[in-house]
Amino acid sequence: GAGVSQSPSNKVTEKGKDVELRCDPISGHTALYWYRQRLGQGLEFLIYFQGNSAPDKSGLPSDRFSAERTGESVSTLTIQRTQQEDSAVYLCASNPGGSRLTDTQYFGPGTRLTVL
Amino acid sequence: GQQVMQIPQYQHVQEGEDFTTYCNSSTTLSNIQWYKQRPGGHPVFLIQLVKSGEVKKQKRLTFQFGEAKKNSSLHITATQTTDVGTYFCAGPRTGGFKTIFGAGTRLFVKA
Repeated sequence: GAGVSQSPSNKVTEKGKDVELRCDPISGHTALYWYRQRLGQGLEFLIYFQGNSAPDKSGLPSDRFSAERTGESVSTLTIQRTQQEDSAVYLCASNPGGSRLTDTQYFGPGTRLTVL
Repeated sequence: GQQVMQIPQYQHVQEGEDFTTYCNSSTTLSNIQWYKQRPGGHPVFLIQLVKSGEVKKQKRLTFQFGEAKKNSSLHITATQTTDVGTYFCAGPRTGGFKTIFGAGTRLFVKA
């Protein structure tokens, strides 16, 4: 497909377990973002990757959260020792990058994480 | 720090009534984007405004970018039930590439 894909679409886990969320950006998009959206709330920025530059991790809420991206392809967001407050939809977005006038973001369908 | 604020937080309208949401940035923006998120869905890009004072229309939707490039509005004429959802504005962080989203305005349309 041509869009951003994310997996799994839903994840239910027990408190204290680790989870790994995956994002496949649109091919050729150098910029990739992760956001968290709690129920009925806005988008909370987590982390941003742009090409081979150092990622902007300023939005990660704690050291339990980490993310990696291999080149300009797949990204994984890992949450260690999950807590109930981590329950949210985790959205990934990508854009072509390389131009500050092209900030349009293309969102994936999200992963709904529920921590019991 | 830099903030993007939206008002109102939510609005209930009768089908056929008009609706406007306002977006205000604490800093000048190089551009502003609007997204729509349907209930249970993900944000979908609507439009990007770049020029000071720019006005763009998409059918019943009118988008404006303020002269100072610090505020924007989205106006929907004669709302329909298909307009239901949350409308987000977003702008780039000054000096960086991170996009800052407003908290969104949730629109409810009663048939």
